[in-house]
Amino acid sequence: NAGVTQTPKFQVLKTGQSMTLQCAQDMNHEYMSWYRQDPGMGLRLIHYSVGAGITDQGEVPNGYNVSRSTTEDFPLRLLSAAPSQTSVYFCASSYTLGGQLGAGELFFGEGSRLTVL
Amino acid sequence: GESVGLHLPTLSVQEGDNSIINCAYSNSASDYFIWYKQESGKGPQFIIDIRSNMDKRQGQRVTVLLNKTVKHLSLQIAATQPGDSAVYFCAENSLYSSASKIIFGSGTRLSIRP
Repeated sequence: NAGVTQTPKFQVLKTGQSMTLQCAQDMNHEYMSWYRQDPGMGLRLIHYSVGAGITDQGEVPNGYNVSRSTTEDFPLRLLSAAPSQTSVYFCASSYTLGGQLGAGELFFGEGSRLTVL
Repeated sequence: GESVGLHLPTLSVQEGDNSIINCAYSNSASDYFIWYKQESGKGPQFIIDIRSNMDKRQGQRVTVLLNKTVKHLSLQIAATQPGDSAVYFCAENSLYSSASKIIFGSGTRLSIRP
């Protein structure tokens, strides 16, 4: 099992450029989420999804779009990158219970380091 | 706003000693708490969890204690080893709310002295 796979691992953008961070999981998890981690800080939830066709906002959703067309994939889109979006982005997945995130661990990818100049 | 926070940003422990990492939370609706370990350059890894109907839960070399009265939880690591060096995060969720959000604290860096 590959688990949670994120691509790219590193990316440099110029202000105003757009890009998509890819996340795929092969564990048949209904729940997927994106976090950002800034230096010396914890993880902040950007967006999450409890199943295909369902997405919702987290703590810091502004400037990011997501979609969930399949169970396996949950891409994160930056439409117009800003220096404030320089961060390490983590995708995570888990099981659901009754359509909501249940107890149990989140499985994280290795992260995507994004720098916006 | 509601948040999950930590008392200390860094902790230095002698190898072989026990480590105690503390965490405070403010959301009284939180009923599920998790500890994660993050090694340098990697994603967080699950360590142990506890539900609000429990006060203590033990794993291999780790124990989590939950005090709902003061909204505090701690992670105890027995006989700390060099491989325990990492950043530790507490996180919380409300299992019976309509939102499926795990909210993380800011983390404590644990360093081990030889």
